[in-house]
Amino acid sequence: EAGVAQSPRYKIIEKRQSVAFWCNPISGHATLYWYQQILGQGPKLLIQFQNNGVVDDSQLPKDRFSAERLKGVDSTLKIQPAKLEDSAVYLCASSRGVGGTDTQYFGPGTRLTVL
Amino acid sequence: GQQVMQIPQYQHVQEGEDFTTYCNSSTTLSNIQWYKQRPGGHPVFLIQLVKSGEVKKQKRLTFQFGEAKKNSSLHITATQTTDVGTYFCAGWGNAGKSTFGDGTTLTVKP
Repeated sequence: EAGVAQSPRYKIIEKRQSVAFWCNPISGHATLYWYQQILGQGPKLLIQFQNNGVVDDSQLPKDRFSAERLKGVDSTLKIQPAKLEDSAVYLCASSRGVGGTDTQYFGPGTRLTVL
Repeated sequence: GQQVMQIPQYQHVQEGEDFTTYCNSSTTLSNIQWYKQRPGGHPVFLIQLVKSGEVKKQKRLTFQFGEAKKNSSLHITATQTTDVGTYFCAGWGNAGKSTFGDGTTLTVKP
């Protein structure tokens, strides 16, 4: 089966600009996750969707970050406006079911550099 | 909130030596997953542990889940250069939320 697709792979923007990332999960996977991975750290969960509903967005900086998963399939994550500290790899992952007993399959990530 | 700590942060070994990374949670976990991330790559699932005291093996890798379900370890016997990467644990709490540790980065000198 095809893996999790993400685009773009790399993005360089200046602070205060906007940026959007796209993720297409594995077909049939109900749960979709967006993570932020800063260099040298583990992935930090930003938002978790089950189908098209939000399960957890407690660590999403809602003043500048937004995400949606229309129709319960692909998803977009937006940052507006970007700050220097947003420089990181943004990973999308999906799992077949709900909760923590399913394997998460990660996409290749989008490396964001904010200048 | 739930915190997951991993030690050591870095480990440098000679090829053939053993390697162990430890994962400790501030709260009791429902299950724990281990992932490997190669340099420049993305995390790839290795294994999941669910039961208290569970031990699972994958060839040279041995995974353990503590009796109290608050800690876990990954042991690699006789490391090879292909084992290079960062090993992450992800602890899942009873509320269905997960927290990743910051990983242990393994380098292997041939």
